[in-house]
Amino acid sequence: NAGVTQTPKFQVLKTGQSMTLQCAQDMNHNSMYWYRQDPGMGLRLIYYSASEGTTDKGEVPNGYNVSRLNKREFSLRLESAAPSQTSVYFCASSDQPRTGGEQFFGPGTRLTVL
Amino acid sequence: QKEVEQDPGPLSVPEGAIVSLNCTYSNSAFQYFMWYRQYSRKGPELLMYTYSSGNKEDGRFTAQVDKSSKYISLFIRDSQPSDSATYLCAMSPDRGSTLGRLYFGRGTQLTVWP
Repeated sequence: NAGVTQTPKFQVLKTGQSMTLQCAQDMNHNSMYWYRQDPGMGLRLIYYSASEGTTDKGEVPNGYNVSRLNKREFSLRLESAAPSQTSVYFCASSDQPRTGGEQFFGPGTRLTVL
Repeated sequence: QKEVEQDPGPLSVPEGAIVSLNCTYSNSAFQYFMWYRQYSRKGPELLMYTYSSGNKEDGRFTAQVDKSSKYISLFIRDSQPSDSATYLCAMSPDRGSTLGRLYFGRGTQLTVWP
């Protein structure tokens, strides 16, 4: 089992460019999440998908869109990147509510917006 | 005020010391309490998981939850240089519209020196 995989691992964008971060999980989990992590800020939830076909905003959704493509895949799109979106992005999945919220994380994508 | 407060440190201790990490929270609906460990440039991984109040021990690690004080702790006995990482507390409700969402502290950076 690969667990949660993310692509790409690193990306540099110019202001105004767009890109999509990909996430896939092979644990048959219902729920998937996108977080960003900035120094001193901890993990902040951008969007989540409680089950296939549903998505909801988290704490910091502005400037992002998501697609739950199927049960395995959950993508995050930046339509017009801004320097404030420079961050490390983590995807996670869980089998909630059965496991009470325990989440499994991918290795992260380091994004720099110039 | 964030729902989960955690002192970011940094915390630096000698090998063999007992380490105490703490978080406070404000939402009385939280019932699931977790500690994640994150090594540099890696994704968080679940270290300890408890439901409701009480203690849980796993090797050198002990997690404590005091719901009356809205306070959780992680103790590391006989700390090792390999314990050097950032430790994030996380918690989740067991009901309601935010079921399955995790609320994270900012993380405490720990260094154990030989």
